[in-house]
Amino acid sequence: EIVLTQSPATLSLSPGERATLSCRASERVSNKYLAWYQQRPGQPPRLLIYGASTRATDIPDRFSGSGSGTDFTLTITRLEPEDFAVYYCQQYDNALFTFGPGTKVDIK
Amino acid sequence: VQLVESGGGLVQSGGSLRLSCVGSGFTFSNHYMSWVRQAPGKRLEWVANIKRDGSETYSVDSVKGRFTLSRDNAQNSVYLQMNSLRVEDTAIYYCAREVRSAIYSNYFMDVWGRGTTVIVSS
Repeated sequence: EIVLTQSPATLSLSPGERATLSCRASERVSNKYLAWYQQRPGQPPRLLIYGASTRATDIPDRFSGSGSGTDFTLTITRLEPEDFAVYYCQQYDNALFTFGPGTKVDIK
Repeated sequence: VQLVESGGGLVQSGGSLRLSCVGSGFTFSNHYMSWVRQAPGKRLEWVANIKRDGSETYSVDSVKGRFTLSRDNAQNSVYLQMNSLRVEDTAIYYCAREVRSAIYSNYFMDVWGRGTTVIVSS
């Protein structure tokens, strides 16, 4: 089973700043199967990025995904107040999905 | 496009619950459907999914032999039968629509319900 780790666990930033979130896999992950989700408190997850770099419908262009192999990155160029949330990466392999532990982006 | 879960509740360890998820606004039978859970303060954990026609299901090892997934495409519904429940099964259970792109082979979950809460007491 592929294990995902995310860093940092918590990222404390101010609105307007840039956020860089990392997702590392224990084995190579196909870009096709790497996705990112945002979860605000008390809400279900929301798809942000799929295929490692394709923004989902209605996701603002300040969100971008990159990476390949075992290292993937989610970048938020200018944090808006509504972006303070927890972000999860997810991968699919061998009929199973796994999620990373999440990165919490909170207000500094 | 919407998913609505129901069936959660408080149950004793060893007991059973059946969760339901009803989809609307899309062609239900075109999609694999997944259940994802989240224990209090913990990460998301994918639990199981079911093929479009219900012919096959897949699940994590921790629920194999205890949880059974089924669907009724005529009712736009998917069900999670949970038996032999354990305290560690306590979580919010989300139903999610999977997208499996035939062209690009991307796999992801693009629509999520609001979840139903399962509490297993000892």
